[in-house]
Amino acid sequence: KQEVTQIPAALSVPEGENLVLNCSFTDSAIYNLQWFRQDPGKGLTSLLLIQSSQREQTSGRLNASLDKSSGRSTLYIAASQPGDSATYLCAVRSGTYKYIFGTGTRLKVLA
Amino acid sequence: GAGVSQTPSNKVTEKGKYVELRCDPISGHTALYWYRQSLGQGPEFLIYFQGTGAADDSGLPNDRFFAVRPEGSVSTLKIQRTERGDSAVYLCASSAVAGENYEQYFGPGTRLTVT
Repeated sequence: KQEVTQIPAALSVPEGENLVLNCSFTDSAIYNLQWFRQDPGKGLTSLLLIQSSQREQTSGRLNASLDKSSGRSTLYIAASQPGDSATYLCAVRSGTYKYIFGTGTRLKVLA
Repeated sequence: GAGVSQTPSNKVTEKGKYVELRCDPISGHTALYWYRQSLGQGPEFLIYFQGTGAADDSGLPNDRFFAVRPEGSVSTLKIQRTERGDSAVYLCASSAVAGENYEQYFGPGTRLTVT
């Protein structure tokens, strides 16, 4: 059974700092991995989608990497801003249509 | 175009009551999914529809939960005899078709509170 873990559960950083969020999964036979952002009381916003054949994806200040063999992904956020404050969720798909989500990392960027 | 919409945004009900939660998917999307997100947790799969039929309802926690999609568009998640443990955010998502190649687009969710 696929399990997804995110560390840390919560993170508070000063504005401008570069940071890394971690995601690990137990079954390396994934189809893709996706990072989402969730603001309080809101739905999920897709940030980056990495196919199993890819090693990384970049969008603006965000970079996500994938190491399937070790069951790990990282989301790197450069030059963090207060507007980046949100919960970040990692989700994998392992040959089915369902997303298997981690528990999320709650990020707070202090001005 | 419009994204996935869900109504109501918030629902407070008393233990034992019946509730219905509605999801309007993106127009033209044939696949629709329901997830439940408890406080401090990631979303967990409940059920998915391809067209009008429930293709997989293995995530529904028990027989108090039921969902329909009679015309292959709008879906309603129904919860009978609500319990305090049902309190959560219920998220709906849709995709063009079911399958790993197709990204799911999520709605804002309905926050259900059972008192």
